Order: sequence, then C-alpha cells, then structure tokens
Amino acid sequence: AAGVIQSPRHLIKEKRETATLKCYPIPRHDTVYWYQQGPGQDPQFLISFYEKMQSDKGSIPDRFSAQQFSDYHSELNMSSLELGDSALYFCASSPNRDSYGYTFGSGTRLTVV
Amino acid sequence: GNSVTQMEGPVTLSEEAFLTINCTYTATGYPSLFWYVQYPGEGLQLLLKATKADDKGSNKGFEATYRKETTSFHLEKGSVQVSDSAVYFCALSGNLLGGGYQKVTFGIGTKLQVIP
Repeated sequence: AAGVIQSPRHLIKEKRETATLKCYPIPRHDTVYWYQQGPGQDPQFLISFYEKMQSDKGSIPDRFSAQQFSDYHSELNMSSLELGDSALYFCASSPNRDSYGYTFGSGTRLTVV
Repeated sequence: GNSVTQMEGPVTLSEEAFLTINCTYTATGYPSLFWYVQYPGEGLQLLLKATKADDKGSNKGFEATYRKETTSFHLEKGSVQVSDSAVYFCALSGNLLGGGYQKVTFGIGTKLQVIP
C-alpha cells in the first residue's frame, strides 16, 4: 500500500541557508500535517493544510513557511536556518475529516552545521 | 487545551515480562486516543487506537482501553519481546462536533528497553 513519502531523507545545511522539505501524502488524503521532533523529544505540531488551505498553525517559526499544492503534496520551506532547527521533520496525512489516526512519513532528518 | 501525560522512561524489562505504560489526558469533548511506536531511526507508526469511551484498541499483543472516567489510556502487553524495544508515544486527537480534522497532540514518549 502507498505510504506518505518524504524527501529528502537526510539533509545537511549550513547556518543561514535555506531548506525545502517535501511531503507526498497517501492518494486521496487531502489533509497534511507537519511535525518537528528534536532529539529525544516528542513531536511538536508545526502546521497543517486541508484542501490546499492552511487549517491550523502550531509552533512554527516565522522563518518557516509551508504550502499545499494542487496535487496535495506539501512543501515546508525553512530560511535563515539555525543550529536549533536540527531535528526530524515528519509529515502526516489523513483523509478528509478523519480523526482516527494519521499515517506518518519516515521523516526528513535535517542537520544544520 | 489538549494535553497528554505519560510516564517518563526509560522502562527496562526482561523478556516475557508484563508491560504497563501509563497515559492520562486532558481534552475537551470526546477525543480519539492513540499509541504510536517509534523504532530506532524510524518514523512514527500507529500501534493502536480507540475512538470512544470503553473502546479497547489492540495490535501485536498490545492493548489499551479508553477510560473516560479516569481520563486514561494505559498501554499493556502481557509478554514483551526484545523486538518491542522502542519509544512509545501516547497521543490524542480532538473530535470536533460534526466531524473535522484535528491535529494530534503527543505525550513526551516512553522509551522501552527489553533485555534478553
């Protein structure tokens, strides 16, 4: 069965650089969520999209932005990267109005040096 | 707001021991409750879920019962294996009246180490 695809799996950037993370949801899932998981921490909600519109916003820094495209894939853009942005970034998708648990991607590990 | 409290780890058990990881929650309305598992170096996987009071979620020998009266969703397994070593996250998702999407709120995670 198709899963949530995230790319790249690993990314190394220098401070003040820009990074773009991509998420391809499960087919026919129109809701996408982004989470950030620091080392040894629980995942923190960043932002979500439903039908290509931002639906909820969490602890996402102003340096980050995200959008969902017409094919429902989503991109998380991160600018002016800081060392503290080093984390595992998860994307999850769910069907319309389904709150019965999301399907997470394997994550993108971002390392800022 | 919604919140999840779970026991801090690490929890170290011998193989075939009984496992309990406590989880309590605070939420308005009638949330759905989940346990996610994260194996080393991997993403989050849904282990089990329960969507209403007294529901019991189960998978791979793990069980958890949605207890509204105690706002709890404790994870249990009768006999753990070395392969169960992972981090376990209790989580909830608020249900909006009339349906609707809700972000998942996670607990801090409990690391389980099972030794042979």
